[in-house]
Amino acid sequence: DAKTTQPNSMESNEEEPVHLPCNHSTISGTDYIHWYRQLPSQGPEYVIHGLTSNVNNRMASLAIAEDRKSSTLILHRATLRDAAVYYCILASGGSNYKLTFGKGTLLTVNP
Amino acid sequence: NAGVTQTPKFRVLKTGQSMTLLCAQDMNHEYMYWYRQDPGMGLRLIHYSVGEGTTAKGEVPDGYNVSRLKKQNFLLGLESAAPSQTSVYFCASSPHSPGQRDTQYFGPGTRLTVL
Repeated sequence: DAKTTQPNSMESNEEEPVHLPCNHSTISGTDYIHWYRQLPSQGPEYVIHGLTSNVNNRMASLAIAEDRKSSTLILHRATLRDAAVYYCILASGGSNYKLTFGKGTLLTVNP
Repeated sequence: NAGVTQTPKFRVLKTGQSMTLLCAQDMNHEYMYWYRQDPGMGLRLIHYSVGEGTTAKGEVPDGYNVSRLKKQNFLLGLESAAPSQTSVYFCASSPHSPGQRDTQYFGPGTRLTVL
């Protein structure tokens, strides 16, 4: 499986933007970049995904580097409810049905 | 829509006992999955199903069996529970459409302790 690298932890202040980085230098041409988050004591929650172009939805934005070897999840105004572990995952959509969850980035949001 | 629901939320078993975890989804999704999450670790795929009547092994299938008799339900069975199966179990489902298949929707989890 293609591997992703994320910082173990990051800290942000409430109502400020947060940029969560992810490196995936071995990404293949068919891999989608997915982001999930897991709030304390809850199941993972889908955040956003993209292939080549930047993507926006109501939760976040995903900025994908031109060479696709890295991406950044952007939370435009962090709230206390955004404190969670954020996972960056590569998924090919082919015969491999597994989503490989690494250790992710623990985001702390300070009031 | 309730999304993905799991029953039970908590369970304590003794070594050697058996139990079944139930996952139900009301989104008409083709694909369903069972994961386990151990403390401080990411999720690992146990079994999955690409449609009613079909199942397949994931990353850590040993000690578990599954069945998908109805499209909306995915059952995970432990025939003879072991302490190593103490974990939080998450069920997920996803649609079949290309590009969306890996958009998985997760249930709230079942916390299982095996003594």
